[in-house]
This record gives sequence, structure tokens and C-alpha cells, in this order.
Amino acid sequence: DVKVTQSSRYLVKRTGEKVFLECVQDMDHENMFWYRQDPGLGLRLIYFSYDVKMKEKGDIPEGYSVSREKKERFSLILESASTNQTSMYLCASKPLGSGNTIYFGEGSWLTVV
Amino acid sequence: ELKVEQNPLFLSMQEGKNYTIYCNYSTTSDRLYWYRQDPGKSLESLFVLLSNGAVKQEGRLMASLDTKARLSTLHITAAVHDLSATYFCAVASETNAGGTSYGKLTFGQGTILTVHP
Repeated sequence: DVKVTQSSRYLVKRTGEKVFLECVQDMDHENMFWYRQDPGLGLRLIYFSYDVKMKEKGDIPEGYSVSREKKERFSLILESASTNQTSMYLCASKPLGSGNTIYFGEGSWLTVV
Repeated sequence: ELKVEQNPLFLSMQEGKNYTIYCNYSTTSDRLYWYRQDPGKSLESLFVLLSNGAVKQEGRLMASLDTKARLSTLHITAAVHDLSATYFCAVASETNAGGTSYGKLTFGQGTILTVHP
């Protein structure tokens, strides 16, 4: 089974702190994604990566950055957390090729106080 | 900009009844995904629909895609309590980045389904 693991399930951080959310997948997928999920808005794409060290902005990249130093690991970074970044963050991965299923991690609940 | 709209957003059903969730999208796409999410959990893939007229069924759920109408439906037959969850549709749009084509998903708002006795 494909496994996408998000290391932190629940975090509480203070405004202005730097926050790292880590995601690891074990199926050698090329594509990895970070989404945030908010009630009534569905999931919105923050950043994605199609290869090591490669990244592209999604729909809502402001206030976020990402890092992909190894194929299996994709990190989301909040340089200076703000209260409007309180949300659930979902990592996903997918192999190359259209029509393939995208697999999601369990999610990280971040609260910024 | 691709927009995806689901309706209804809230659905309260009695066990044994049938109902349909609708997913409309604004620009051309030939790939559509349906996901299920239980409270506090991640998204579970239900269906991937890859062409106009595609129909897939799994248990009490059946999904279809009409690319000309830009519409997908998720039909629930004889609902049971275990189907209570949030259901999302997501539409794929191909994007080329660094010479690689990948599927960017745009999600609907989600439909919260509650099935009660």
C-alpha cells in the first residue's frame, strides 16, 4: 500500500514562529503536493514539486515555502506563522502519468495563537 | 481559472433512500476524481473518471462523468449509516512544469453527508 506520512498530526505555534511540516512517501512518486483544507473552501493547492529540488507555486503560495532535497520528502515551511494560517494541511503524492490516483497523508492540524 | 462547485453542500438522508451529489466545473477537463473524508481523517480515493461517459461503481456508490456538460454525479443507492462522511470531487487540469506534465487538482467545497435511521 502507498503510504504518505505526515510527521506532525497536531501542532500549536505562536505568531511569528517558523514552522516546518514534514511529509514522506514510500512509493518513489515523482509528484508531491501540499494543500490546506478549510471549512467551506475545500482543498487549495499551496505548492507542488515534480522532482528533487524542483518546486512550483500553487494557488495560494503566499506566506509559505517548500523544500524537496530528497525524492521521498517534501517539506512545507511557514517562515513567520500568522493566525490566518491556522488550518489543516494535507500532503499528497502521485506517480508520473495522467489518470493516476493521488494519495493523501493523514493531515497536520496547525493552530497559530 | 478553473472553478469546481458541488451541491448540495449538506445532505441529510434516511437509510435506504437514494440521492445524488452534483459536481460542476467551469473549464474543459477529462479527468475527475471523487474522494471520501471521515472526520479527522485524510482523503480516501473513491473513483477516477478518465473520459466522457465514464461510469464507475463500487458498492452503493456510482460515479459518472459528462465532459460536454462539465458535470459529474455521485449517486448513492439505498444509503447506510457507514456512508456518512464528506465527499469531494476534484477536477484535474494538466500543467507543464519543467517539461513534466502533472495533474493539478482543483477541489469542490465538499458535501457533508449524514445518513440517519
